[in-house]
Amino acid sequence: DVKVTQSSRYLVKRTGEKVFLECVQDMDHENMFWYRQDPGLGLRLIYFSYDVKMKEKGDIPEGYSVSREKKERFSLILESASTNQTSMYLCASSSGQGEGEQYFGPGTRLTVT
Amino acid sequence: GNSVTQMEGPVTLSEEAFLTINCTYTATGYPSLFWYVQYPGEGLQLLLKATKADDKGSNKGFEATYRKETTSFHLEKGSVQVSDSAVYFCALNVGNYKLTFGKGTLLTVNP
Repeated sequence: DVKVTQSSRYLVKRTGEKVFLECVQDMDHENMFWYRQDPGLGLRLIYFSYDVKMKEKGDIPEGYSVSREKKERFSLILESASTNQTSMYLCASSSGQGEGEQYFGPGTRLTVT
Repeated sequence: GNSVTQMEGPVTLSEEAFLTINCTYTATGYPSLFWYVQYPGEGLQLLLKATKADDKGSNKGFEATYRKETTSFHLEKGSVQVSDSAVYFCALNVGNYKLTFGKGTLLTVNP
């Protein structure tokens, strides 16, 4: 079974702090994704990566950056957290050879106060 | 562009009732179609998929048929259980990296 793990289930940070969210997958997948999920808005793609050190902006990249130094690990960085970044953050991965299905981690609920 | 429209929730049913959650799509090319489920407090899990027209995906008693003529992929289950209470997402992929998701439908099943 594919396993995607995220470093924290719940996180509370203060406005202006730098925040790191870590994601690790164990299936040697080429592609990795970061989404945020908000009530009434569904899932919105922040960034994705299709290879080590490669990244592409998604639909809402403003205020975020990412890092992928190793194939299994994809980090989301909030350079200066703001209250409007309070959300559920979901990481996912997919194989470059599949039909596009993605496998998700359990999510990190981030609260910025 | 690509888009997915699914029925607004919430949907509330009694145990053993029949479930339909409608999903229609707009896509360039020939998409693969997916249903994901999110149980309370968890991430999304792939429920079923179909990769070409007339394919039927099925899993855990849920079914959906890829209908190209109506651009639809409706989710059905003959008899729902309390444990099926969750948010259901319809999604498509057109051969690039990204999935396009619907907004999700909250299902609550009462005993």
